[in-house]
Amino acid sequence: GAVVSQHPSWVICKSGTSVKIECRSLDFQATTMFWYRQFPKQSLMLMATSNEGSKATYEQGVEKDKFLINHASLTLSTLTVTSAHPEDSSFYICSAFGGSQETQYFGPGTRLLVL
Amino acid sequence: GENVEQHPSTLSVQEGDSAVIKCTYSDSASNYFPWYKQELGKGPQLIIDIRSNVGEKKDQRIAVTLNKTAKHFSLHITETQPEDSAVYFCAASSGGYQKVTFGIGTKLQVIP
Repeated sequence: GAVVSQHPSWVICKSGTSVKIECRSLDFQATTMFWYRQFPKQSLMLMATSNEGSKATYEQGVEKDKFLINHASLTLSTLTVTSAHPEDSSFYICSAFGGSQETQYFGPGTRLLVL
Repeated sequence: GENVEQHPSTLSVQEGDSAVIKCTYSDSASNYFPWYKQELGKGPQLIIDIRSNVGEKKDQRIAVTLNKTAKHFSLHITETQPEDSAVYFCAASSGGYQKVTFGIGTKLQVIP
């Protein structure tokens, strides 16, 4: 139990395009989901906290108009990277709070490469 | 805000030996301390966690200790195996649904 999936697992896009990443809690409902960004050989950096049915809370320094987050249901949150640029290339990981242990469970990550 | 320090950043051990990773935290309100294992190209996987009402927790070869007074907690892996090789992150939170602050990570290499 407590499985979180992400789609796509990797994506390559041209500069200027938008990319949507989906995060799903497969066997539990998650009122709160989190989005992280991880650069090579570094720790996870929290980008935003997403609560179902309300606006996401962004961490300082994260552009909310650049990284659009939608949490429309208890099992799905999406992150859209708008007008992507090469510096947005990174590993994006979501997590969902809930499950039998009432903790955060992480997705497998999405690797984004912007050319 | 919370600040979590983790060391060492890299750790090499011989197969069968024990590995210890240590973390300290700054916010006395933190009461939940999960540990994650991250393999290359994958998301973090929760391997063990401890809450502030206990001082030690064990799950087979993995154990975690917590000293709230000193604000530090440690991960102990005994009888290490090559498949234990990964990056391990400690973290602290004031509640499971609250944001988790991660340590910098420890790259563990188990040498066969």
